[in-house]
Amino acid sequence: GAVVSQHPSRVICKSGTSVKIECRSLDFQATTMFWYRQFPKQSLMLMATSNEGSKATYEQGVEKDKFLINHASLTLSTLTVTSAHPEDSSFYICSARIGTAASEAFFGQGTRLTVV
Amino acid sequence: GESVGLHLPTLSVQEGDNSIINCAYSNSASDYFIWYKQESGKGPQFIIDIRSNMDKRQGQRVTVLLNKTVKHLSLQIAATQPGDSAVYFCAENQGAQKLVFGQGTRLTINP
Repeated sequence: GAVVSQHPSRVICKSGTSVKIECRSLDFQATTMFWYRQFPKQSLMLMATSNEGSKATYEQGVEKDKFLINHASLTLSTLTVTSAHPEDSSFYICSARIGTAASEAFFGQGTRLTVV
Repeated sequence: GESVGLHLPTLSVQEGDNSIINCAYSNSASDYFIWYKQESGKGPQFIIDIRSNMDKRQGQRVTVLLNKTVKHLSLQIAATQPGDSAVYFCAENQGAQKLVFGQGTRLTINP
C-alpha cells in the first residue's frame, strides 16, 4: 500500500524558535498534501491544503505566516512552525493524496511537537 | 458551520463481543464517508468507506451503515479483539475532496 512518512516523529523546541516537519510519499507521487493539527483527545483539524508548485490554501483561522508550507515536489511537503509558542504544542499529521478522490489520501504517522 | 460529530466519546466492550460506533453528520450534500482508526501516537488508518448511494457496506469484521434520512453513520466491528482498541473517527467528504473529521470515539476492548 501507499506509504506516507513524516519526520521527525517527535520534536521538542524552545519557545521562539522554528521547527520544520517533513511529509514524504515514499512510493507514489502525491498531487495534493494536507496538513492537520490534533490536540489531545480531540479530532483532526485541517490546517491547509497544498499542491505541488503552488501556494498552499489555508483554512480559516490558520495563520499562513506562522505555519509555512512548502510543496516543492510531488513527494515532499514541509510544514514550518515559525516562532513557536507553547500553545503550538500539538500532534501534526500530514496526508498525501494520489489522485483527486478523498479515498486516495494516505496519512503519515504524525509528529508530536512540544514547545517549552 | 456544519460538522461531523460522534454520539459517544468512549465505548467499552468485552473481547469477542460486537461493537457499534455512531456518527452524526449535518451536511446533507456530503456524498462520501470514511471510517478511520487511530492508535495512540499514530496517524489515522483507513478502515472502510461508503458512498451516499449505498446504505451498507461490509469489510472484514467491519460493516458501515449509512442512514441518509437521519444523517447517521455507524461502524460495526464484529468479534472484537484487543487490537481493536483505538480511537475511531468518521470523516465526511465536504466538497473539494476535503475531509472533515468527527470528534472520535475511544473504543476499549476488555479482556
